[in-house]
Parts: sequence; structure tokens; C-alpha cells
Amino acid sequence: EPEVTQTPSHQVTQMGQEVILRCVPISNHLYFYWYRQILGQKVEFLVSFYNNEISEKSEIFDDQFSVERPDGSNFTLKIRSTKLEDSAMYFCASSPPPTGYTFGSGTRLTVV
Amino acid sequence: RKEVEQDPGPFNVPEGATVAFNCTYSNSASQSFFWYRQDCRKEPKLLMSVYSSGNEDGRFTAQLNRASQYISLLIRDSKLSDSATYLCVVPPPSQGGSEKLVFGKGTKLTVNP
Repeated sequence: EPEVTQTPSHQVTQMGQEVILRCVPISNHLYFYWYRQILGQKVEFLVSFYNNEISEKSEIFDDQFSVERPDGSNFTLKIRSTKLEDSAMYFCASSPPPTGYTFGSGTRLTVV
Repeated sequence: RKEVEQDPGPFNVPEGATVAFNCTYSNSASQSFFWYRQDCRKEPKLLMSVYSSGNEDGRFTAQLNRASQYISLLIRDSKLSDSATYLCVVPPPSQGGSEKLVFGKGTKLTVNP
């Protein structure tokens, strides 16, 4: 069964540092997403990406965040200057239109 | 009203019990409804879609009441492996193809031997 692959599984970074979370979506999917889940809280939508541009973003996705699809396979989330409150699980997902989500296993980001 | 609201739980039930989870949603124009399952520190996984006529998949039954904006999930003959957090998911009406998911906070279920 096709998978969404995320790396690394766990990342520890110092406050103020930049981090890049990587995802390889399912190859024939067209929509790509990032979600985050702070420990003990609900899964929250960050951004959706289609046709090489952001199609929707949430209030959480401020100027510190950016997404990129640098080649035909990778989809990245960059946080420019991490804060303590960015510590969370970050899930990448992809879907063919319009439904049929597949989530990756997540990257646990710890900001110290 | 919150976009998606669920029973706070947690639910602790013995093996073989029947357990029901409830969920309410605020956007009356929503067209899609899902139940996801999430194990501790793992990704959400689709358990079942919820259709307007109600649907059943083995021991799991989902019901939708559009008038009350209410969704339910019933688990019969619960197994130890059903222990997880159950997430109610109601996307807002889709605009242009991509469909962001709006998650409830989840209801934790523990099935005890």
C-alpha cells in the first residue's frame, strides 16, 4: 500500500533555529497538506498545497512558516525561527482530489 | 459552538462491551463526515466515512443526523485492540478541490480485559 513518508521521525532544535521537515507524498496525489498536533490537543490544519502554490492556510501558518515542493517528490515545511510553542507532532498528508487522505507517521519536533 | 465537538471521555469499558461516541458540528453546510482513529503518538487513520443513511462496517456503526448536526459512532463487542482515541472529522464545505480536515479533540477509549 502506498505510503506518505516523513523524515526525521524526531527532531530536537534550539529556540531560534530554522528547521525543515520533509515529506514524500504518494506519487500520483495532487494535494498536499501539513497538520500539527500539540501534545494533548487536537490535530490542527496548517496549510494545503496544490499546483505548486498554497491553496489555503490557517491563522497558525504565519510568516515564520513556509512550504515548498522543490522537486517532483519532496514536500517540505520550514519554520524559520522556532519558538518553544512550535513543539508538536507535524503530520504531512496527501490526497487525490477531492478526498482520500493518507497521513504520514509524523515528525515530533521538540524546541528547547 | 466549536466547529467540531466531541464527548470529552475518557471511556473505560470491559472487553465485549458496546460503547458509543457522539460528535456535534457547527457548519450546517458540511457535506463530508468521518471517524478517524489515533493511537498514542501515531498518525490519524481513517476508520470510516459517515453517510447520510448511516453505515456499518463489521462491529462499527456510524450515524448522521443532519437536522441536529450530530454524528455518532457505535462499537459493538469491543476488543482490547480498539483502545485508541477516536476523532470526529468534519471538513468545511469544499472550495476548489482541496479539502482541509477539521478535527475534534477526540475521545479516548480504553478497553480492559
